[in-house]
Amino acid sequence: EAQVTQNPRYLITVTGKKLTVTCSQNMNHEYMSWYRQDPGLGLRQIYYSMNVEVTDKGDVPEGYKVSRKEKRNFPLILESPSPNQTSLYFCASSSQGGYTEAFFGQGTRLTVV
Amino acid sequence: GDSVTQMEGPVTLSEEAFLTINCTYTATGYPSLFWYVQYPGEGLQLLLKATKADDKGSNKGFEATYRKETTSFHLEKGSVQVSDSAVYFCALRITSGTYKYIFGTGTRLKVLA
Repeated sequence: EAQVTQNPRYLITVTGKKLTVTCSQNMNHEYMSWYRQDPGLGLRQIYYSMNVEVTDKGDVPEGYKVSRKEKRNFPLILESPSPNQTSLYFCASSSQGGYTEAFFGQGTRLTVV
Repeated sequence: GDSVTQMEGPVTLSEEAFLTINCTYTATGYPSLFWYVQYPGEGLQLLLKATKADDKGSNKGFEATYRKETTSFHLEKGSVQVSDSAVYFCALRITSGTYKYIFGTGTRLKVLA
């Protein structure tokens, strides 16, 4: 089954404690991205990757890191989480080119206290 | 810059009512257009898409037509069901360069029996 898998689904952590949210896709997609969803703001792109070892900032990259060492994986790293990073996070993947849709993971609800 | 504007919700309808959710966009070039649906506790799923002017996307009774002259992609359904209750996102994808997706803020639909 074609899917994007994120883990964990729920995470509560304390300010400053480094964490990683994993994302994996099995569709051989080149393009992967991370979004955060906040009430009234919709989805905002954090980082994206157009292929292995190629990543770039989205609209709200501050406080986040990513890496793309393998085509299927695109982890999101919060080196020193803060309460304003409490949000619902989604990973998505798609084929390259502008005419294809994105496939989304189930989401990770992160709370930073 | 590129953007998507969709009507604010929530939208509350009775079962079998007609649904319209307005979406307009601003983009350079000719983006692809999408509607996604998000059910509670889940990720976004593609509902329909259109990749060029005058294309009509349709799925599960929902329809939207790519109107280049009015830069719009309004979502319609002739008779909604309780099971259609969800959040609906309009989105565009740039068809060159970054191939970025841009999402609207989402419209919550509640259908009453």
